[in-house]
Amino acid sequence: GQSLEQPSEVTAVEGAIVQINCTYQTSGFYGLSWYQQHDGGAPTFLSYNALDGLEETGRFSSFLSRSDSYGYLLLQELQMKDSASYFCAVRDNRDDKIIFGKGTRLHILP
Amino acid sequence: DAMVIQNPRYQVTQFGKPVTLSCSQTLNHNVMYWYQQKSSQAPKLLFHYYDKDFNNEADTPDNFQSRRPNTSFCFLDIRSPGLGDAAMYLCATSRDLGGSGNYEKLFFGSGTQLSVL
Repeated sequence: GQSLEQPSEVTAVEGAIVQINCTYQTSGFYGLSWYQQHDGGAPTFLSYNALDGLEETGRFSSFLSRSDSYGYLLLQELQMKDSASYFCAVRDNRDDKIIFGKGTRLHILP
Repeated sequence: DAMVIQNPRYQVTQFGKPVTLSCSQTLNHNVMYWYQQKSSQAPKLLFHYYDKDFNNEADTPDNFQSRRPNTSFCFLDIRSPGLGDAAMYLCATSRDLGGSGNYEKLFFGSGTQLSVL
């Protein structure tokens, strides 16, 4: 089976940098995805890492270490609008379903 | 713009009264998902379709059923809603092009918030 672990909450200050970690256990692994969800909204895709290393997209970056079964989402120059829940997700190699971690609630202080 | 559309945005039903939620997509994606999400929890997969192949999660209650009459449309039927079925229901799509990351990039509709009275 698949399982993903991420912190339930993280707090950071506006303008700062925050890292949200995700560790996973899978019987097979394709890659790690990240999604953002604002209150009352639907998840939106942020990034996908299939290979080791850092992928940068504007203020957001995502990192993967396959050997450590670990990844993280890095948010820079935090803005109040980044207050949201962030989910890591993997693809189950048995039946190709996408499963989500429990999510990390990011609180940003002014 | 190509998108995933869920109707209605808010649905109120009575305990035990059947309800159907709908999802349509103009992305021509071959994979469609139904997730249930309760407050402050992760989306929980109920079903997914890979093309016409239907996949039912082992812990999805029998009370929940799904139909996908064609590529563009998918329905979630709740035969006898209980109070515990009140939740946000999210439809999502993706497209398996065989390349890295395409399958894993899900496009979500805005969701249907279901209330059970």
